[in-house]
Amino acid sequence: DTAVSQTPKYLVTQMGNDKSIKCEQNLGHDTMYWYKQDSKKFLKIMFSYNNKELIINETVPNRFSPKSPDKAHLNLHINSLELGDSAVYFCASSQYEGGGPLHFGNGTRLTVT
Amino acid sequence: QKEVEQNSGPLSVPEGAIASLNCTYSDRGSQSFFWYRQYSGKSPELIMFIYSNGDKEDGRFTAQLNKASQYVSLLIRDSQPSDSATYLCAVRGNKLTFGGGTRVLVKP
Repeated sequence: DTAVSQTPKYLVTQMGNDKSIKCEQNLGHDTMYWYKQDSKKFLKIMFSYNNKELIINETVPNRFSPKSPDKAHLNLHINSLELGDSAVYFCASSQYEGGGPLHFGNGTRLTVT
Repeated sequence: QKEVEQNSGPLSVPEGAIASLNCTYSDRGSQSFFWYRQYSGKSPELIMFIYSNGDKEDGRFTAQLNKASQYVSLLIRDSQPSDSATYLCAVRGNKLTFGGGTRVLVKP
């Protein structure tokens, strides 16, 4: 069983489109995250949710909107996609806020043309 | 100054040798420290975590933490070609922050 699963694995779209990435974890963890990894492999946190509540919201454009319908799911919606949004987006979870290691999903490679 | 810094490498290591990776961090209040391995095109996977000063060993891996000097290191003994990957240091203060990673190449 996949612990943290995200879909789709690949996403190719044109500038200006709106797209969503879904994430689910079956580890029973309280906290979920979205990280962005750019072409230089630098992993940067975007959002963190603890039990459906937004905890961390880094300086991310308003075009990015996370939604957590329950503590096992954290989705990411991106409006008006730009070339600079091209990256790999990783969903992750940890047992609780501020503690324990992160467990990552397999990533979604977003390419904006 | 970046919050978590690593030498980007590549660190070239002969098979069977010891690979030594270093990581420095700026937040003195950081409490927990992690090493992740990331193969090309894959997601990061946890290989070690350490919370207290000193050494922690797990198989061929040893993590070393020195909070006074604000560095954490990872030693890989008996390096294998399968250890070739990017190693990410992560430090948790009020959030988990990653370094840019060190690329390791183990040559047969």
